[in-house]
Amino acid sequence: ETGVTQTPRHLVMGMTNKKSLKCEQHLGHNAMYWYKQSAKKPLELMFVYSLEERVENNSVPSRFSPECPNSSHLFLHLHTLQPEDSALYLCASSQGHEQYFGPGTRLTVT
Amino acid sequence: GDSVTQMEGPVTLSEEAFLTINCTYTATGYPSLFWYVQYPGEGLQLLLKATKADDKGSNKGFEATYRKETTSFHLEKGSVQVSDSAVYFCALTNTNAGKSTFGDGTTLTVKP
Repeated sequence: ETGVTQTPRHLVMGMTNKKSLKCEQHLGHNAMYWYKQSAKKPLELMFVYSLEERVENNSVPSRFSPECPNSSHLFLHLHTLQPEDSALYLCASSQGHEQYFGPGTRLTVT
Repeated sequence: GDSVTQMEGPVTLSEEAFLTINCTYTATGYPSLFWYVQYPGEGLQLLLKATKADDKGSNKGFEATYRKETTSFHLEKGSVQVSDSAVYFCALTNTNAGKSTFGDGTTLTVKP
């Protein structure tokens, strides 16, 4: 039990759909992250929020749009995705130097 | 920039064998070092950490020592179990920049 939850756990969407991934942390942390994990590729940091402000955007395509309405919640809004966007999307939070991860959302784009 | 290089996998061992997964890093300043583990179908979990030179992190029979002179943080376990089968990630957090860098992950399979 990590204190970071993600919903949904699995998502199948077509390329023209719009969907959102949700992350919630119950740890009182002040930073939250989105990562993309694809098969046979390194973990990719997508976005970093600190105190609800976006502090890092690692050249992520605009079809991915993050939102951090408060320090406990983080969303990733998805639209017009491509099949290569199929991956495990991990959310994490931190207060110090170590990160606490959620279980991930397995996304399949058809 | 900061980087983490870890031993390429996959690694396959028999139960009760000795495990070493090598990890070296490049970083400015004084990073904190971590090992995370990812079991099938789950997110990453912190396995152990060390925050300064010569510190030894340990958890669940796993150990790693922060070696500043060799910029290494190798993961070891004396006797692995089938339940240790997972992907292991070495990582650092640069305390100056507050940014984390992960290695590519090493897949460990332990056979009965």
